[in-house]
Amino acid sequence: NFILTQPPSVSESPGKTVTIACTGSSGSIASNFVHWYQQRPGSAPTIVIYGDNRRPSGVPDRFSGSIDSSANSASLTISGLKTEDEGDYYCQSYGDRNVVFGGGTRLTVL
Amino acid sequence: QVQLVQSEAEVKKPGASVKVSCKASGYRFTSYGITWVRQEPGQGLEWMGWISTYNGNTKYAPKLQGRVAMTADTSTSTAYMELRSLRSDDTGVYFCAREDDVTTEIDFWGQGTLVTVSS
Repeated sequence: NFILTQPPSVSESPGKTVTIACTGSSGSIASNFVHWYQQRPGSAPTIVIYGDNRRPSGVPDRFSGSIDSSANSASLTISGLKTEDEGDYYCQSYGDRNVVFGGGTRLTVL
Repeated sequence: QVQLVQSEAEVKKPGASVKVSCKASGYRFTSYGITWVRQEPGQGLEWMGWISTYNGNTKYAPKLQGRVAMTADTSTSTAYMELRSLRSDDTGVYFCAREDDVTTEIDFWGQGTLVTVSS
């Protein structure tokens, strides 16, 4: 089974930059697009990065995505952190022809 | 604007079935697939399966195969997810979401439906 591994939690101060990694268990993470979702408590997820590094309209350019093929991982970077960025972040890709989600990372901005 | 509106919360007994609806509006229903995702209390997102609204093809998560069925009614732009033989660990929030069949991102989500399984 293909698994995407994320750190359970990260924390950083307002105004700083944080990077959340998403590592694939096998194969090449670059073989399929990686997407990133933000979920605030009590709400449905919303997409913040799609197609590895593209931002949907309305998502601030403080959010960016990248792929590191050598590490078989994807990353979500949020710069100029704001308290409103707090929440859970999930990466998503494909494995065995099915959608796979990472376990999620709780971002605390303190 | 794109909207996915789901049915209300349900409380079911173990062994029963539940059917959650997801009414789409604001786009051509048959141009995008519908993915179902569930989230147990305090846990992460779990992919349940996908249905092509164009031809009705489905893919289900292996752990749910045999208990889940996804359908789509193109006349009402509504997708359905039925889960049978409910167990207590099926308790959680169930989301429908629109999936781009080409680029694979899930770009719009329903508000979620809480399903509680309890005797």
